[in-house]
Amino acid sequence: AQSVTQLDSQVPVFEEAPVELRCNYSSSVSVYLFWYVQYPNQGLQLLLKYLSGSTLVKGINGFEAEFNKSQTSFHLRKPSVHISDTAEYFCAGAFVVFGTGTRLQVFP
Amino acid sequence: GAVVSQHPSRVICKSGTSVKIECRSLDFQATTMFWYRQFPKQSLMLMATSNEGSKATYEQGVEKDKFLINHASLTLSTLTVTSAHPEDSSFYICSATLAGAPVGETQYFGPGTRLLVL
Repeated sequence: AQSVTQLDSQVPVFEEAPVELRCNYSSSVSVYLFWYVQYPNQGLQLLLKYLSGSTLVKGINGFEAEFNKSQTSFHLRKPSVHISDTAEYFCAGAFVVFGTGTRLQVFP
Repeated sequence: GAVVSQHPSRVICKSGTSVKIECRSLDFQATTMFWYRQFPKQSLMLMATSNEGSKATYEQGVEKDKFLINHASLTLSTLTVTSAHPEDSSFYICSATLAGAPVGETQYFGPGTRLLVL
């Protein structure tokens, strides 16, 4: 079975600063990993996904993530955040496995 | 892209009544749909997995007689909260996967339904 752990419940950051949201996974089978964003009172929107192939995955809104097998990580990064990036971010494995979420708060 | 809709977006009901929430895949066929419940400031909790034409598979601790799921077609799944009580108040989110997609592939999420039971 696969599981994911989000290490930070909240990440405060100033606008235009870089940000990294951390996610670690454990799996004994093939790894599928996803990052979703949830804006207030909305469903989840897919940011990016890793199924196989290149370990650096680029997604929407300028986000990217790197699959690191040796460190069992799939951290989400953005070089320069905007106020509009303030949201809840979820790391997920295949189907039912969601992390507990990281609240990204961007300050002006 | 694949779009999933939910209706209603929010509903307020009296305790003891039943509420039906619809989840539709608008531009694709979904053999599998998932229903989640999300409490404030928490992650999604999977309630059940429904496959078109068969009975839903419920997660441990989820009452199947309380949360009735019907997946009658490849584009529609419904969740009925029967005899709702205030503790059922929550944000309910559905998701769907593309028919024929490999196991573990991307889920497409609906916008969620906010249920408030008074």
